[in-house]
Amino acid sequence: TQLLEQSPQFLSIQEGENLTVYCNSSSVFSSLQWYRQEPGEGPVLLVTVVTGGEVKKLKRLTFQFGDARKDSSLHITAAQPGDTGLYLCAGARGQAGTALIFGKGTTLSVSS
Amino acid sequence: NAGVTQTPKFQVLKTGQSMTLQCAQDMNHEYMSWYRQDPGMGLRLIHYSVGAGITDQGEVPNGYNVSRSTTEDFPLRLLSAAPSQTSVYFCASRRGRNNEQFFGPGTRLTVL
Repeated sequence: TQLLEQSPQFLSIQEGENLTVYCNSSSVFSSLQWYRQEPGEGPVLLVTVVTGGEVKKLKRLTFQFGDARKDSSLHITAAQPGDTGLYLCAGARGQAGTALIFGKGTTLSVSS
Repeated sequence: NAGVTQTPKFQVLKTGQSMTLQCAQDMNHEYMSWYRQDPGMGLRLIHYSVGAGITDQGEVPNGYNVSRSTTEDFPLRLLSAAPSQTSVYFCASRRGRNNEQFFGPGTRLTVL
């Protein structure tokens, strides 16, 4: 059973469209992080959310942490081809939140 | 400051062979982790460490051993390679629980 469920698994859209990616769990996390990974490289951190209900913005990307700290969403406004990549959410688990567990990811393709 | 380094970048093994994947970081991070990434599976945690001399199992630890004798190094040992261990392996490190996790460039392992 996957601890963090991401949806959708694949998303193919046109430049300029908006999209939302979801990260859900039945467990409470002390924090959630979103990473973006390009082919042949390791993931790179986009944002960390810590407080329930927290909203963070990074240019055209908006991240939200659920009130109960069990879920999160990533919304991209006016997607661009440069947004193409694998988006991964990750939650801190284990003793004192030392283990970082990842979801399966959402593969986003934005065509011009 | 090299960040997280991994060697080798590519490796081909025969079933039953053993080998060690090397990982080093020069950022003085307490936490280090090993992940494997397979198509459609995201990143799965193999083992992790919260400091020198302390290691713990992640989601998929079977067939792998780790040790952490220094803060800088966190090698991953495959005891008897199996085709199911064909994957891309990422080493990562971070300073604390909610901090950014930095990834190495990955090792692409094929077991025949």
